Amino acid sequence: KAGVTQTPRYLIKTRGQQVTLSCSPISGHRSVSWYQQTPGQGLQFLFEYFSETQRNKGNFPGRFSGRQFSNSRSEMNVSTLELGDSALYLCASSLGGGLKDLSYEQFFGPGTRLTVL
Amino acid sequence: DQQVKQNSPSLSVQEGRISILNCDYTNSMFDYFLWYKKYPAEGPTFLISISSIKDKNEDGRFTVFLNKSAKHLSLHIVPSQPGDSAVYFCAASARNSMNYGGSQGNLIFGKGTKLSVKP
Repeated sequence: KAGVTQTPRYLIKTRGQQVTLSCSPISGHRSVSWYQQTPGQGLQFLFEYFSETQRNKGNFPGRFSGRQFSNSRSEMNVSTLELGDSALYLCASSLGGGLKDLSYEQFFGPGTRLTVL
Repeated sequence: DQQVKQNSPSLSVQEGRISILNCDYTNSMFDYFLWYKKYPAEGPTFLISISSIKDKNEDGRFTVFLNKSAKHLSLHIVPSQPGDSAVYFCAASARNSMNYGGSQGNLIFGKGTKLSVKP
């Protein structure tokens, strides 16, 4: 079974630009979560999508947005980029439904390394 | 305020010995805990998890212990191998908390412990 894939793997942008990152979850997984990893803050939750709806959102400004398509693929968008947005952006997928423990195990993609100059 | 803390940024262990990685949490609503391993330039890899209704879960060389009263969990790796050298993250989730909008997709991570296993 193919794992979580993220594109692109590396991206360089300048301040003020906007960027769109893409994530394809494991087949059959309906939940996609996005995280930002920086050396100072560690892994921080951005938002989660399930069945094309945002179910939960972390403490990030409105410049960070996302969406999920009917095939569970997800995109994350960051507008008006700032230097502090430079980070590794990770996408994770899980089954996402029900209360069985396996539903909560999240599987991560390799990440997109975003550098803002 | 950090809800999940890994107080040891690094740990060095001899091959064949036990590695013990610790994690503390503050939010009593957390009811599901996971450990991930991360190599540089890769996403975290799921290792093992434990529900709050249990106090121990074992999978091969990896065992996770949960002490709810102390809000503490630990990951034991026995025996440690050089290939275990990586950064280990503890994560927690409040699956049934209305504060999280009933969502199970929000994992709170610790800042990680870098494990080095020496041959």
